[in-house]
Parts: sequence; structure tokens; C-alpha cells
Amino acid sequence: DTGVSQNPRHKITKRGQNVTFRCDPISEHNRLYWYRQTLGQGPEFLTYFQNEAQLEKSRLLSDRFSAERPKGSFSTLEIQRTEQGDSAMYLCASSETGTGGYEQYFGPGTRLTVT
Amino acid sequence: TQLLEQSPQFLSIQEGENLTVYCNSSSVFSSLQWYRQEPGEGPVLLVTVVTGGEVKKLKRLTFQFGDARKDSSLHITAAQPGDTGLYLCAGDGRGGSEKLVFGKGTKLTVNP
Repeated sequence: DTGVSQNPRHKITKRGQNVTFRCDPISEHNRLYWYRQTLGQGPEFLTYFQNEAQLEKSRLLSDRFSAERPKGSFSTLEIQRTEQGDSAMYLCASSETGTGGYEQYFGPGTRLTVT
Repeated sequence: TQLLEQSPQFLSIQEGENLTVYCNSSSVFSSLQWYRQEPGEGPVLLVTVVTGGEVKKLKRLTFQFGDARKDSSLHITAAQPGDTGLYLCAGDGRGGSEKLVFGKGTKLTVNP
């Protein structure tokens, strides 16, 4: 069990550019979650997949954000036309069916800085 | 809106001291999780509590879920510098939601 992995760990981009992050969940986990965490706050839910189906999206996920999980394995989160307010840590988590989805295991995160 | 309030927000103690941090809500949760997060890293799951009144121990850490399943506490005995970190509590989303709702965390510093 190698845990949840995320790439890149750090990303610096200029305002207006597009960025894409990748998450590889724990191999037997069919549920995958994206969260965003800003300084001094706990993680905030963005979206959730069960297998390849995106089942829930937060109002935080504006139309500039899109997430995919095409084969039910890894997932990508794309932010288009980045804004300085998008600067945050983007966290991915996974869980397996049967735990109620509540025991979520997090990756190390991708730290995004928009200049 | 579900809210989890954690207190204290910051805590700085000396090695060997005991401490308790709290996680409170006006909402009932099916379960609560405690995570520890170090700077620049993702949260690491410490424990899940499910039953009202439940007490779980993890070495020097004791977790308790309130009888009404609205609050939880984390007690650390004989704190060590390695316990330094941000302690987050998280509750399950209501209404069939799979999301976790997090508090803002308690930032603990244990000085040698």
C-alpha cells in the first residue's frame, strides 16, 4: 500500500494560466475526493467521485474548475484562468466502499501559488 | 450549515505536560475523525469515533466522542515534541453527502 500520491507537490503559475493536478488514490479505493485548504483553515470539500462518476460538487467549484476520473483510477483537477484567490493547498483523498466513505486517507497535497 | 468549532486555536506547552483539545458542534454526526497535519503535508488520519460515549486510545492519545455525538475531545498525556502539529477534527456530511466537514484545527507546539 503506497498511499495516496499527488503531483506536482508545488506549482507556481501566473494569473490567467491553466493548471492541472493529478491524484493517484490507494489502489483498492473506489472513492476519490478533492479538497482545498487555505492558510488557517481546515480543508474544504470540492468534489467527489465513486469510480468514474462525479457524484457531488461543492459550490466552491466554479466553472473554471473541472475534475475528471476517466477510468475510475487516477483523477485530475484542472483550474482554468487562474486567479490569485485560487492560491491554496489542493488535497486529494480516497476511501473504500463499506466504510461509509468517512475514513478518508489524504495525499500530501499540491501547493498552488498564483502570482 | 454544519460547523465544527475547535478550541483552543493555538496551544504551546512544555514537553511532559498533558493537554486536551475540543471539537464542538450543534449538529449530530454519525462519526467524527481526528487528523494530524504537519506543515506542507496532507492530514494523517489518527482515529474514527462512531458510537456516542466511545473512548479510543492510541498510545498517549485518548479520543472521546460525546454521548450526543455532537462533540469530541482529544487528550494527550506527557506530550512530546513529536506531537507538534495541527490537529483537525472532521465530521461526516449530512443528508447523504460523502464529504467531510472540517474544523479550523488546533495548532499544537510542544517545546523541548
